[in-house]
Amino acid sequence: DQQVKQNSPSLSVQEGRISILNCDYTNSMFDYFLWYKKYPAEGPTFLISISSIKDKNEDGRFTVFLNKSAKHLSLHIVPSQPGDSAVYFCAAIQSNAGGTSYGKLTFGQGTILTVHP
Amino acid sequence: IAGITQAPTSQILAAGRRMTLRCTQDMRHNAMYWYRQDLGLGLRLIHYSNTAGTTGKGEVPDGYSVSRANTDDFPLTLASAVPSQTSVYFCASSVREAPYNEQFFGPGTRLTVL
Repeated sequence: DQQVKQNSPSLSVQEGRISILNCDYTNSMFDYFLWYKKYPAEGPTFLISISSIKDKNEDGRFTVFLNKSAKHLSLHIVPSQPGDSAVYFCAAIQSNAGGTSYGKLTFGQGTILTVHP
Repeated sequence: IAGITQAPTSQILAAGRRMTLRCTQDMRHNAMYWYRQDLGLGLRLIHYSNTAGTTGKGEVPDGYSVSRANTDDFPLTLASAVPSQTSVYFCASSVREAPYNEQFFGPGTRLTVL
């Protein structure tokens, strides 16, 4: 049972335009969400996160939006750059489940973003 | 060493063989994790350790074991490898087990079991 889903395996965007990557989750107990970026032959790197008490978090060109009622979050990249081409993973965690859940991120399948010059 | 290192970078292994994937971090992070990445499934947690001396099972622990004798090292062992364990394995660490601290990932080990 995939609790975190990224239904778009890939996304292609022109440089300078907006990239929107989507993520849906089914576990209503998730209360903290993260986006990771991964280049080929490298490990994922943290990009941006959001707590469930917020509906938006912005960091430079990257903004994450959270819609708790829809159990949906999205990552917006504006403007997109060729160096943003990578695989993007969303991840979620239930932070208040006690010791058994601490640090146990649940990842989506990933979306391959390609930004064309 | 800077950050997290993993060894080997890649390995081809015969089914039934024993294999240990090594992971070392020099950030003095309390928590460490092992994930496997498979196409269409994302990253799945195999085992984790919130502090030296303790370990726990993740989402897909069967066929794997871990130990955490000290803060820096977190080896993952496949006692008897099977082809379904062909995957890319990532080790990660965080300052503590709380989710508000991002996890830092190593470069990965690509394992092929024939």
